Amino acid sequence: GAGVSQSPSNKVTEKGKDVELRCDPISGHTALYWYRQRLGQGLEFLIYFQGNSAPDKSGLPSDRFSAERTGESVSTLTIQRTQQEDSAVYLCASSSTGTGGRFFGPGTRLTVL
Amino acid sequence: SQQGEEDPQALSIQEGENATMNCSYKTSINNLQWYRQNSGRGLVHLILIRSNEREKHSGRLRVTLDTSKKSSSLLITASRAADTASYFCATDGTNFGNEKLTFGTGTRLTIIP
Repeated sequence: GAGVSQSPSNKVTEKGKDVELRCDPISGHTALYWYRQRLGQGLEFLIYFQGNSAPDKSGLPSDRFSAERTGESVSTLTIQRTQQEDSAVYLCASSSTGTGGRFFGPGTRLTVL
Repeated sequence: SQQGEEDPQALSIQEGENATMNCSYKTSINNLQWYRQNSGRGLVHLILIRSNEREKHSGRLRVTLDTSKKSSSLLITASRAADTASYFCATDGTNFGNEKLTFGTGTRLTIIP
């Protein structure tokens, strides 16, 4: 596709369940980012992948959060034992380098009941 | 923590008027970017200004950067109803290879027809 895609667009889950969110970056983009946005707030950095380098995981809020990326393609963000405070929109972005404008996906709205 | 702080938090103007939003940040940067977000989902990259630039134009957008004051402004001229959105500034830090793109809290702009 021409842009960054994310799936699912909406996810409702029960507290304590695990969820997996997917991001398909723009083909050829070496950099991939995950952000979290709570209602009415700014974007909170979670994790950054750049090529084959070790990812920058400094933004992950707890060990319940993890992310993987296969080469320079798809990334998955996994949240284990979800809590109500995990409810947010999770946004993925990619770029051709580690700097410059990012291309964002439409996000996944996660609701934890 | 948030690197950038936008001001004002909310702004309502009549269609056709100019809208000005300000952003302040805390640490040294490589560049500063402005994004637009509609309906709380994906962000759209608007414009990037590098740390050695003072002003940049793109269509109806004008961005200024004052690195001595660690501040930037976004001016939208001749506003339209379609400009209604949230606007975020974001900064790329100076640690090459570790760019997290830190976002501010956003300005909610409403254009009144």
